[in-house]
Amino acid sequence: AQSVTQLGSHVSVSEGALVLLRCNYSSSVPPYLFWYVQYPNQGLQLLLKYTTGATLVKGINGFEAEFKKSETSFHLTKPSAHMSDAAEYFCAVSAGGADGLTFGKGTHLIIQP
Amino acid sequence: NAGVTQTPKFQVLKTGQSMTLQCAQDMNHNSMYWYRQDPGMGLRLIYYSASEGTTDKGEVPNGYNVSRLNKREFSLRLESAAPSQTSVYFCASKGLAGFAYEQYFGPGTRLTVT
Repeated sequence: AQSVTQLGSHVSVSEGALVLLRCNYSSSVPPYLFWYVQYPNQGLQLLLKYTTGATLVKGINGFEAEFKKSETSFHLTKPSAHMSDAAEYFCAVSAGGADGLTFGKGTHLIIQP
Repeated sequence: NAGVTQTPKFQVLKTGQSMTLQCAQDMNHNSMYWYRQDPGMGLRLIYYSASEGTTDKGEVPNGYNVSRLNKREFSLRLESAAPSQTSVYFCASKGLAGFAYEQYFGPGTRLTVT
């Protein structure tokens, strides 16, 4: 069984500040990890994914995440927030194969001008 | 390529009515999925289909049925809608992107049951 915990349902940062969205997972097998972004009234867009190999993963829009097995974490970061980053962010885990994704409850990112 | 398409975009039902949500993908993917999204709950898996001819229950299957009509299409049916099924429904398909699999999501169907 798998689970995902996203710490903080709402995170507020100033424009230009560091963005840090936290994600911890639980998985009985080596996990595949994903971050998705959802803008208001839209579908989900993949930001980045970790499958195997390099633990620091770079995604779109300047986001990156680091897989830390010892901490069972996959936190999402961006060095400098932009107003356009305001959205809902979801962390998800998969065991691979045909199984679906298990999502966290989401973090709403607010960017203050 | 259109990717994953869903119809309808919006629907309002009365309690007890039935309806089918349609999903199609043009990426030749084997696996397809139905999720529901509720405020503060993230997305939860309802049913999935690993390949044509197979379907399996996810985390929240009660009150739903699915049909994998062919490789392209995967429909979700509500036989007797309940207010608790008010939600946004997303269909997804899974395929190779580079050397790893990822899921591609449709735009969603916003369903209200009164």
